[in-house]
Order: sequence, then structure tokens, then C-alpha cells
Amino acid sequence: QKEVEQNSGPLSVPEGAIASLNCTYSDRGSQSFFWYRQYSGKSPELIMSIYSNGDKEDGRFTAQLNKASQYVSLLIRDSQPSDSATYLCAVNMIGNQFYFGTGTSLTVIP
Amino acid sequence: DVKVTQSSRYLVKRTGEKVFLECVQDMDHENMFWYRQDPGLGLRLIYFSYDVKMKEKGDIPEGYSVSREKKERFSLILESASTNQTSMYLCASSFTDGYTFGSGTRLTVV
Repeated sequence: QKEVEQNSGPLSVPEGAIASLNCTYSDRGSQSFFWYRQYSGKSPELIMSIYSNGDKEDGRFTAQLNKASQYVSLLIRDSQPSDSATYLCAVNMIGNQFYFGTGTSLTVIP
Repeated sequence: DVKVTQSSRYLVKRTGEKVFLECVQDMDHENMFWYRQDPGLGLRLIYFSYDVKMKEKGDIPEGYSVSREKKERFSLILESASTNQTSMYLCASSFTDGYTFGSGTRLTVV
């Protein structure tokens, strides 16, 4: 069974704080990991990809990958109300087929 | 940027109707996917295709079929629509670095 697990939340953080979103996956052989942001009523949009252990930074976003622990996370620094959305973790487990978590709902409180 | 276009944003169909959902991508991607998204269940893969005239069943193919006659177009067909197929349908296209999603079709079957 291929699984991607996320805490569904809701996660609430004050504006300016760091939001931490977590994801675990079942397939130890997975090589590609992605974070998508989905606003209510909209389709998911890709915000980060990570392939190697360690951290990858892009602006206020940092993705962290630990393949030994089968764990990937997303940190959002200086959180803004516009970051309020559902964040989906996706893992490439078989060829180009991705498995998605059910998403974590984030609310940034002004 | 890759553009994935879904023909309808909202659709209302009657039980028993045959329904066609169209998806077109403009970046010559070989891989295309159809998902449905329901609250609490996340994204579930219906069908996918890695090449023209090729199709593979995803996790929930029952009640659906697909057609890929041209590389840029991937159609999802509901053979006889039922109320439990009311959902948000998302088409995606990919090369190697993550999916690009279309804007989605919210289908209501009455």
C-alpha cells in the first residue's frame, strides 16, 4: 500500500511566525517529493520540489527531506495571511505517478 | 509555462447521462492524469496515460473510461453518470519535475 500521510490540521499561526508542515511516506524507494498549495476552490499549484536529503530554500519556503526517516517537511517563514491555504505533499513512488497526502489546512491569523 | 486547460469549470448532468471531460496541454508532455478530489479523501487517481492511445487504471477507475487519441488531449468519460460521481475533477500533465494541474471541473450529478 502506497501511502502519504499528513496531519490534516487545521494549523493556525500568527502573521510573521513560522509555519511547519509535515509529511511521511511509505515507499522507501521514493526519489521525488513535492509540495503543492491549494486555495479554496482552486487547483493545486506546485511551490517546491526536493530530491536530495537536506534543506532546499526558495524565498520564504524551505523544504526538508530525510529519506532515512521517510519524512519531508515544509517551513514557511514570516507567514502571511495570503499563505492561508491547504498544502499537499506529493511523492513520486512509481515512475511518473504521484501519490498525494490529504493535505494540511493552514490559517495565518493577522 | 505549461498550460493545462480543462474545457468546463462547472457542469451539471443528470443521472445516467454520458459525460465527457476534456483536458488539453500545450507542452508536448507524454504523461497525463485524471484525479478526483473529495473532502477528506484527497486526490485520488482515476486513470493515467504515458503515451498516445495508451491508458492505465489508477486507484478508482470503476465507472470511468479515458481516451487519448492525440498527445495533447486526454479525455475522461463517465459512461453513465451517478450521484456518487459528483466531485471536483482535476487533469494534470507532467514531464519530470512535478505535475501541472488544470483549473478543475466541478461536476454535479443530479
